[in-house]
Amino acid sequence: EAGVAQSPRYKIIEKRQSVAFWCNPISGHATLYWYQQILGQGPKLLIQFQNNGVVDDSQLPKDRFSAERLKGVDSTLKIQPAKLEDSAVYLCASSRTSGGSETQYFGPGTRLLVL
Amino acid sequence: QQQVKQSPQSLIVQKGGISIINCAYENTAFDYFPWYQQFPGKGPALLIAIRPDVSEKKEGRFTISFNKSAKQFSLHIMDSQPGDSATYFCAASIGETSGSRLTFGEGTQLTVNP
Repeated sequence: EAGVAQSPRYKIIEKRQSVAFWCNPISGHATLYWYQQILGQGPKLLIQFQNNGVVDDSQLPKDRFSAERLKGVDSTLKIQPAKLEDSAVYLCASSRTSGGSETQYFGPGTRLLVL
Repeated sequence: QQQVKQSPQSLIVQKGGISIINCAYENTAFDYFPWYQQFPGKGPALLIAIRPDVSEKKEGRFTISFNKSAKQFSLHIMDSQPGDSATYFCAASIGETSGSRLTFGEGTQLTVNP
């Protein structure tokens, strides 16, 4: 079974530029998550989708971050404009359903460096 | 406040030794406590999880101990091996609630010396 796919793996941009990340979850997984992992910290949930609807985006900085999951499969996370403090690894994860005890399967992440 | 505090930040043990990582939580509504293992350049992967109706869960060399009254839980790695060198995250959520988010600890970087 293929795992969660993410691209690109690395991205370097200058502050105030925009950037987009792509995620393809495990086939059949209804729930998709985007996390931000700052160096030396645990992952922090940015947004959670159930199919193509948003379940939780309470920690998403909506003035600069946006995410969509069209057709309930792939998802994109966008940052516009980027700030220095956005430098982090952006992890995508998926699970069969949105239950709090469902195992989340993580992709390898996209490492973003904002200069 | 939904917080999970993890210690130590880093841990060095000798091969064959016991690694112990501790976590404490505040939200008494949490009822699902997983541990994730993360290798460099990879995403976290579920290692083992426990619910508060048991005080201990063991899977191979990995054991979770849970103390509900103290709101603490810990991961014990017996006979630690160099291949166990990774970052370990504890987490917590409200297991039966649809949409409940995982709250992660800060992580512990474990190094097992040969």
